[in-house]
Amino acid sequence: NAGVMQNPRHLVRRRGQEARLRCSPMKGHSHVYWYRQLPEEGLKFMVYLQKENIIDESGMPKERFSAEFPKEGPSILRIQQVVRGDSAAYFCASSAGREEPQYFGPGTRLLVL
Amino acid sequence: GQNIDQPTEMTATEGAIVQINCTYQTSGFNGLFWYQQHAGEAPTFLSYNVLDGLEEKGRFSSFLSRSKGYSYLLLKELQMKDSASYLCAVRVNTNAGKSTFGDGTTLTVKP
Repeated sequence: NAGVMQNPRHLVRRRGQEARLRCSPMKGHSHVYWYRQLPEEGLKFMVYLQKENIIDESGMPKERFSAEFPKEGPSILRIQQVVRGDSAAYFCASSAGREEPQYFGPGTRLLVL
Repeated sequence: GQNIDQPTEMTATEGAIVQINCTYQTSGFNGLFWYQQHAGEAPTFLSYNVLDGLEEKGRFSSFLSRSKGYSYLLLKELQMKDSASYLCAVRVNTNAGKSTFGDGTTLTVKP
């Protein structure tokens, strides 16, 4: 039973480029959460999605950031026109239901040069 | 919003017992989670409390008091591999079901 998969594990972008982070939830899970973690800091909630729907995006910046979870395929977190401050580890978690524990993927470490 | 407090750092000796506290202030509480995160790795789920009392799972136990807004994670028979960050996360009873994380407690286990 594969866990939560994220790719790429490491991503380097120059300022102004786009970053696409992918997350495949654990088998049987239809709830996906994205978190950002800066060095030496805690996890900050960004967005919560359930198949084809954004449930809560209160933690996601209004500009340059978007997320989707299509009917088929992984969830995508997209960051347009990246800036140095976007450098962080981005973790995806999935759960079987809103009331269930979240299980985390290995994260994507984004470095913006 | 939610406010979650944990000590920033703790140190303990191999073989000992350590208690990591977490206090929270929130409305609509609907569960508290503990996660372990080793440096450079993803958080891993340890325990879940939604009712008052103690949940035991091997060397790890977690306690919750909803009236006091308080939880602790108890680690027994500490091992060197237990050196990690321990994250307390609170879920509120909204349509979102999201969890808010504390900044974590970095535990260092010394020989």
